Order: sequence, then C-alpha cells, then structure tokens
Amino acid sequence: DSGVTQTPKHLITATGQRVTLRCSPRSGDLSVYWYQQSLDQGLQFLIQYYNGEERAKGNILERFSAQQFPDLHSELNLSSLELGDSALYFCASSVGFGHTEAFFGQGTRLTVV
Amino acid sequence: DQQVKQNSPSLSVQEGRISILNCDYTNSMFDYFLWYKKYPAEGPTFLISISSIKDKNEDGRFTVFLNKSAKHLSLHIVPSQPGDSAVYFCAARNNNDMRFGAGTRLTVKP
Repeated sequence: DSGVTQTPKHLITATGQRVTLRCSPRSGDLSVYWYQQSLDQGLQFLIQYYNGEERAKGNILERFSAQQFPDLHSELNLSSLELGDSALYFCASSVGFGHTEAFFGQGTRLTVV
Repeated sequence: DQQVKQNSPSLSVQEGRISILNCDYTNSMFDYFLWYKKYPAEGPTFLISISSIKDKNEDGRFTVFLNKSAKHLSLHIVPSQPGDSAVYFCAARNNNDMRFGAGTRLTVKP
C-alpha cells in the first residue's frame, strides 16, 4: 500500500459527459501529480500541484483541469469526454516537487462508451 | 515526440541470472532519471534513480547506469528473482516535466 488513495477505482461514462477523479496523497506529501496511461500513448504526465498551487503542466488537454484543496487532496476533472480519453489515470504524491520518488495510487480506470 | 524510448517490449531471463533493461533518450536537458516497476492492477512503484551528474547508482540488487554521451540508461538486476517479474518504466525529468518510456515486461523464470 503506497498510502495514496484514488477513487473511484472504475468509472464508465458516455461520450460528452464530465467526470471527477479524486486523489488523497500520502500524509505529509505536498505534491500531487496526475498521469494518464493509455494503450497508444503510454504513461504521460498531465499536471502537478504543490501545496495548493499549480506547479507544472505536461500533456494535459484543455478539456481537463485539476485542483488541489487546502487539505491537499486533489481532483482531476475531465469534461466533454471522448472515446480516446479511456485510460488509466494515476495520481502520485511526494514530499518535494521534483517528480522524484513519488508514490503512486492504484489508479482509476475510465471507460468512455 | 518520443523523447524516452524502451525499445524492448519484453525480456525473459532465468532466475539467478542478470536482467538488463535498456532505455534511450533524445533530450540532453534531462537532469534526473528514474526507474519504476509496475505489477498488474497496481500503480507504478519507484525503484531507483540517478542524477545526470552521476554515471552509476546502486541499491541492493538494482544498479542503474547512465551513459550521457550515448544518451543511454540501463537497469541491472542481479540476481533476478521471480518476484521481479513486472513491467519496468524508465522516466526522465526536465525541469518540471517528466517523460516515460513505453515499458519493458520482464519475466523471470524459476
């Protein structure tokens, strides 16, 4: 158990819909990272928050957004969903902000039908 | 663009022998490299890392080698154990961005 909790584990939704994925980081970790793992694109970094502030952006689509709340949990919002958004979405956390030695959650599997 | 490449999708080795997983990169600005291990239905687990100012880092059975001139990274596992069977991802950091390879599935046979 990495200490990072992601909910829900599975999500099935229709095209055009909006979903919210939730992540609770390890106790004491200030950074939260979101990653997408899809069959064709592999594992991709989406976005990072550090202590409530956006720290870095990777290959995140404009239809996607995230935030980190004062209690440090984070949410990833995916809107106007397309079939190609079907993927595993991982959250990770670390004490610092350099992507180093981050601990990953088990992921949320999103299926868009 | 694929800045980090793992050209071998799979590798099979005998228990007790050495496993060598390779990774190539194209961006000379990467300053930190990591290896993650992933079991089915679990998130990736950090394994070992190396700064770009070093050429070797060792942690128990795991050693990572960095050849900056060749832009090549390798992970050595000695001796390999059946529990090492997993998908291994290499990753490289440039400022606040992180790029991953496609992964290599390692199978260690008893």
